[in-house]
Amino acid sequence: DADVTQTPRNRITKTGKRIMLECSQTKGHDRMYWYRQDPGLGLRLIYYSFDVKDINKGEISDGYSVSRQAQAKFSLSLESAIPNQTALYFCATSDPRQNQPQHFGDGTRLSIL
Amino acid sequence: AQSVTQLGSHVSVSEGALVLLRCNYSSSVPPYLFWYVQYPNQGLQLLLKYTSAATLVKGINGFEAEFKKSETSFHLTKPSAHMSDAAEYFCAVSEFSGGYNKLIFGAGTRLAVHP
Repeated sequence: DADVTQTPRNRITKTGKRIMLECSQTKGHDRMYWYRQDPGLGLRLIYYSFDVKDINKGEISDGYSVSRQAQAKFSLSLESAIPNQTALYFCATSDPRQNQPQHFGDGTRLSIL
Repeated sequence: AQSVTQLGSHVSVSEGALVLLRCNYSSSVPPYLFWYVQYPNQGLQLLLKYTSAATLVKGINGFEAEFKKSETSFHLTKPSAHMSDAAEYFCAVSEFSGGYNKLIFGAGTRLAVHP
């Protein structure tokens, strides 16, 4: 079983709809992250969470919100989806020790029409 | 703020040829550097990481990278390409600030391997 699981893997929806992407992990890591990937731009950080009570905005948080329901679960919501939010979304986790690598899920491909 | 530049968004090599993917970083402090690989329809997988223990770092699948401080580079190499190496590769630098490991990614290099 995957250490970091994202659901759904693919989603097509319409402008204005509310969307939730879910992430769960079995690595026991306190730190979790949401990124979006766009061609030619690499990965950009949307939100990150140190633990259940600590959530922080990343570089591109506008239009997104998150919820850390438990240590193992971190969900990303688009309250009112717009076409330029069409992208590949990744969840990641990491050990809290300094400069440890992040571990990624397989991604959710989101298309907004 | 730190940044990462990957020279060449697409690289094409023949099977058996040397693979060289370039990464340059900017950092005011000794960096922690990573290479990740992304296969189609999958997430990013760690290939290798540099944490100042040795300048030549060996990773999985026969890849290695050399840290050169004077050139602010961390290029990824593999002596002989396999068809299975076709993927997108990302270089990243870690910036530790406020108790948080922020990963700054390059734009990625897509590697094609042809027979």
